[in-house]
Order: sequence, then structure tokens, then C-alpha cells
Amino acid sequence: AQSVTQLGSHVSVSEGALVLLRCNYSSSVPPYLFWYVQYPNQGLQLLLKYTSAATLVKGINGFEAEFKKSETSFHLTKPSAHMSDAAEYFCAVSEGYQKVTFGIGTKLQVIP
Amino acid sequence: GAVVSQHPSWVICKSGTSVKIECRSLDFQATTMFWYRQFPKQSLMLMATSNEGSKATYEQGVEKDKFLINHASLTLSTLTVTSAHPEDSSFYICSARGTSSYEQYFGPGTRLTVT
Repeated sequence: AQSVTQLGSHVSVSEGALVLLRCNYSSSVPPYLFWYVQYPNQGLQLLLKYTSAATLVKGINGFEAEFKKSETSFHLTKPSAHMSDAAEYFCAVSEGYQKVTFGIGTKLQVIP
Repeated sequence: GAVVSQHPSWVICKSGTSVKIECRSLDFQATTMFWYRQFPKQSLMLMATSNEGSKATYEQGVEKDKFLINHASLTLSTLTVTSAHPEDSSFYICSARGTSSYEQYFGPGTRLTVT
């Protein structure tokens, strides 16, 4: 069975500081991994995805994530936080065409 | 890119009534659609998976007779909440997947409030 663990339900960073949102996964087969962002009362927007190609994945809005098989991790980073990055972030895993399992989410607060 | 819409975006209904939520794939054919429920400050919980022309597969604990899902065409799936109660108030999100893709495209969500 697949699962995702997001460490830290709330993360606060200062504007301009590094953003690091942690995600560890469990999967019985090579997984597909995703990061989504959700703004209040809106649906999910795909930030980036890992599909067994390059281990360092670049996404939209300056975000990137690195797939580390040995650590079963897929942490999301951004070098410099912007106020508009304040939102809820979800890490997700799927095993091919199977259903997607989401983490509990991490709420990112950006302090001016 | 692939676009999924939901209608309505916000609905208020009285307890005991039924409400229908539509999910449409606007620019691709969605062979599979998924319905999720999200409680405040929580993650998305998969309710059911529907394939076009087939009966939906419900997750454990989801009442099939309460949450009726229809996927009659490759671009439209509907979720009907029957005999709604205040505890059904939630944010409902659909997603759609094409024929040869593992990626799901999410709709903007529907906020249901049952009074």
C-alpha cells in the first residue's frame, strides 16, 4: 500500500528565505510523486511531478523537488519565499495508474 | 493544458434535499474520474472512482446510496448527495484522467453547505 507523510502541518518562513516542505513516501513499486498547491476555497494546482525520469524536478513558480530513493523522500524547495506562496501544499503518491494518495498537507505562512 | 470544471462552485441546500454536482473535462476525454471530499484543514479523501459507462467503485466507508455517482460520458461525471444532512457539508473536488495518462487534473471544487 502506498502512503505519504508530510512533516510539519504548519511552516513559517520570512519573505525571501528558503522554503523547505518535507515529504516521505511509501510505495511497493517505483512511485509517481506529486506536489500540489491549494489556495483557500480553490482546487488543487499541480506544482511538479516525478515520473522516474530526472531525480531533480523543476516545477512552476520557482519550486523544485528532489527524489531520493534511499531516503524515500520528495522534499519541496524554493530558494526565496514570496508572499504569494502562502497556501496549503500537498504531497501525493501513486503507483502508476492507481489512485493517488495525499498527505495531510502543510500550510505555508510567509512573514513579511 | 487539461482543464476540468465543476458546477456549481458553491451550493447551499436544506437538510433532507438532494444536490447534484457536475464535473466536466473541457478539452480532453476523461476515461476515469475521481471524487474527493475535503474537510476543513484536512487532506483530500478519495470517495470513489468512476470509469465511463461503468458503475463507480466506492472507497470503504463511503455510502453508495447517499453519494450517487454517474459517469455517462467521457466528459461528464456527476455526484449527487441524496437526503443531505449538515454533516455532509464539505468541499467536494473532482479530478479526471485521460486514456493514456496517469496524471489527474483537478477541478476547482464545490463548497456544499447543508442547513
